[in-house]
Amino acid sequence: GDSVTQMEGPVTLSEEAFLTINCTYTATGYPSLFWYVQYPGEGLQLLLKATKADDKGSNKGFEATYRKETTSFHLEKGSVQVSDSAVYFCALNTGGFKTIFGAGTRLFVKA
Amino acid sequence: NAGVTQTPKFQVLKTGQSMTLQCAQDMNHNSMYWYRQDPGMGLRLIYYSASEGTTDKGEVPNGYNVSRLNKREFSLRLESAAPSQTSVYFCASSEIQGRGEKLFFGSGTQLSVL
Repeated sequence: GDSVTQMEGPVTLSEEAFLTINCTYTATGYPSLFWYVQYPGEGLQLLLKATKADDKGSNKGFEATYRKETTSFHLEKGSVQVSDSAVYFCALNTGGFKTIFGAGTRLFVKA
Repeated sequence: NAGVTQTPKFQVLKTGQSMTLQCAQDMNHNSMYWYRQDPGMGLRLIYYSASEGTTDKGEVPNGYNVSRLNKREFSLRLESAAPSQTSVYFCASSEIQGRGEKLFFGSGTQLSVL
């Protein structure tokens, strides 16, 4: 079945460091790919998405490129801030009502 | 805008007790969902409602029932709570469910079953 694999956390970085959170997927169809972010005490909210191969999603300085050849959708940010501390979830949907989520990666950013 | 509202935010139950988690959305969305979030496992779909009047099982439906009361409201019921149902529960909604459609989440209910 469809699945999403994320790098295990937690990831701890200093402010202004470069961030990469790896995400790979397995899907039978042609999925759309998403990154959701969960801040402490809140629900998930969409950070960015890409709907076809080679698309780049971007938002708030975060970027991720849909790589069909490597079945990956890695999240990157050039300079993290303390306010980016959160849990990040990679997810996919192939068109039905079932969005598949990865296990989540917790990010801590130190001042 | 309230978005997706869940109640209660916290709940402690004893094994065998029942309870209903309430969810309402004010975005006129057609589809609604219940997920549970467990450490190291991400979010898993319990039940969903594609549109008013329909409900379907997700990945982990055992021990739960749902009701799509109207277009706005979608409730989740635990008839006889078990410790394995200790989790954080999220309600979500979407306008339609296509490949690119995003989900809007509530802030969650933290449930402990003793």
